Amino acid sequence: KAGVTQTPRYLIKTRGQQVTLSCSPISGHRSVSWYQQTPGQGLQFLFEYFSETQRNKGNFPGRFSGRQFSNSRSEMNVSTLELGDSALYLCASSLGLGTYGYTFGSGTRLTVV
Amino acid sequence: SQQGEEDPQALSIQEGENATMNCSYKTSINNLQWYRQNSGRGLVHLILIRSNEREKHSGRLRVTLDTSKKSSSLLITASRAADTASYFCATSNSGYALNFGKGTSLLVTP
Repeated sequence: KAGVTQTPRYLIKTRGQQVTLSCSPISGHRSVSWYQQTPGQGLQFLFEYFSETQRNKGNFPGRFSGRQFSNSRSEMNVSTLELGDSALYLCASSLGLGTYGYTFGSGTRLTVV
Repeated sequence: SQQGEEDPQALSIQEGENATMNCSYKTSINNLQWYRQNSGRGLVHLILIRSNEREKHSGRLRVTLDTSKKSSSLLITASRAADTASYFCATSNSGYALNFGKGTSLLVTP
């Protein structure tokens, strides 16, 4: 079956712009979570959605937001981009919350210049 | 914030040898999971061990969990060059979200 699909794979944006990243989970998975990975901070949890509801949120500013649609696809948005937002953004899907392993997508590499 | 902390940060071994990585964490957990990441790409789920389990096997992987010491270990037996990757432990507690450590970088040389 198809894996977790993230689009786009690479993105270059200018400071102050906004960006939307997309994630299509594995069919049947209702939980989608997002992580930011940087060399300095490692893997940081952004938020998790289950059945269109945000269930958890990490310690990120309000510029980071997300949503989940009725077909479980998810988007995350970052407004007013800063240089420090340059990172690999990973989406992961799971059958449920916390009790199953997660399947990760290949990520979106965002560079802010 | 990181919950898990892997040790060592880097490990270099030869093909055929065993590789052991350790993970320590700070708070109570529902389960602990190990993931592999190749060259900055997506993570691959390796194994999940629940808080009431002490040991789990999957192919050449063996994971142990000691909740009294808040620690886990991942053993890869008979390592291959293809095992070269970064390995992360991640804990899940009542908040559900995965908390990752900073990872162990494993290099397996032929």
